Amino acid sequence: QTVVTQEPSLTVSPGGTVTLTCASSTGAVTSGYYPNWFQQKPGQAPRSLIYSTTKKHSWTPARFSGSLLGGQAALTLSGVQSDDEADYYCLLYYSGALIFGAGTKLTVL
Amino acid sequence: EVQLVQSGAELKKPGESLKISCTGSGFMFTSYWIGWVRQMPGKGLEWLGIIYPGDSDTKYSPSFQGQVVISADKSISTAYLQWSSLKASDTAMYYCTRHEAPGDVDYWGPGTLVTVSS
Repeated sequence: QTVVTQEPSLTVSPGGTVTLTCASSTGAVTSGYYPNWFQQKPGQAPRSLIYSTTKKHSWTPARFSGSLLGGQAALTLSGVQSDDEADYYCLLYYSGALIFGAGTKLTVL
Repeated sequence: EVQLVQSGAELKKPGESLKISCTGSGFMFTSYWIGWVRQMPGKGLEWLGIIYPGDSDTKYSPSFQGQVVISADKSISTAYLQWSSLKASDTAMYYCTRHEAPGDVDYWGPGTLVTVSS
């Protein structure tokens, strides 16, 4: 059974930079996995931030960026704001099936 | 404006059947994939499956194959998620999603809360 792994939790200071990662138990994550990243705040539906590894939606703040880093998908937040405190999920595509990571709880402190 | 409107919250008993809906507007419904995602209370997101309303091509997560049925009525731009016999463990929030391609999600619906309790 394929597992997608994310850091359970991360803490970052306001104005700082943090990178969240997304790994696959099948091996290196490539652009062919079409990594997506989502933000979810308590009591709200998730919101799409990044698709196809690096692409941003029209509503995605410029401080969010996606990439591949050391065989993993990565989401980098630069100039973190208190409003960025949320759960972040990655999603990978496996030839017709999609698997979410367990999520990273990001604390801004 | 792209919108995904989901049906209202449901309270059902174990063993009952249920069909929840997701209606799209502001885009050509038959040109996008529509997916379903489960979130159990206090837990993470789980992908159930997706459907392409244009030709009803459907893909399921192996974990949910046989547990739920995904369908669509393109004439009314609506996708469905249904159960034939609910269990308490089906209690969760269910979100529909729009995909430009199977691997790329852009819009999310607000969610439908399903509660299964005797």
